[in-house]
Amino acid sequence: QSALTQPASVSGSPGQSITISCTGTSNDIGYYNYVSWYQQYPGKGPKLLILDRTDRPSGVFNRFSGSKSGNTASLTISGLQAEDAANYFCSSYTRTNTWVFGGGTTVTVL
Amino acid sequence: EVQLVESGGGLIPPGGSLRLSCAASGFTVSGSYMAWVRQAPGKGLEWVSIIYAGGSTYYADSVKGRFTIFRDTSKNTVSLQMDSLIAEDTAVYYCARENGWLFDYWGQGTLVTVSS
Repeated sequence: QSALTQPASVSGSPGQSITISCTGTSNDIGYYNYVSWYQQYPGKGPKLLILDRTDRPSGVFNRFSGSKSGNTASLTISGLQAEDAANYFCSSYTRTNTWVFGGGTTVTVL
Repeated sequence: EVQLVESGGGLIPPGGSLRLSCAASGFTVSGSYMAWVRQAPGKGLEWVSIIYAGGSTYYADSVKGRFTIFRDTSKNTVSLQMDSLIAEDTAVYYCARENGWLFDYWGQGTLVTVSS
């Protein structure tokens, strides 16, 4: 199972909106609505950010939103803040009863 | 409060074995789906294995036949027995709770380095 494809880096100024894409196949993102997004700071474990494509766990700011179209999922961060500088990973459940992750996107706040 | 704490990582020569453990608190592993996910240095995340509440286990092709996931309900822990280790297994290994096809809680990770 190949990894999902994410851009290596995305940057934006405080207050701006940025979008991170995550491209998979018809065997994962395109087949199930089981896409999730994770935020990770250096040296720390990942934290769940978005579940089931669009929902946020309690405690996650509504600046973070998710969407999906076909084989591609997207994470949008609105009103970018300094603390949003981190690594972001997407993930999808697959038709082979496994999970696949993206390679990760580093967000830089200019 | 849900917490996951991994232990057991270290430096191991190629071909060696290592056992990682994950101590859970705030919930019972026997009633949960528990997974291991790894991250090679500077790389993305890679799902490794999962054990379901009923005891079924699944593995990534890259570790199938070499790694074994199991749990100890008396200690509320989940472990990963890693045999025939190769350099490509070098990574930080995270324990995570699976909840609805996603991972809602993660540990801080334990580093495994396979090198002579």
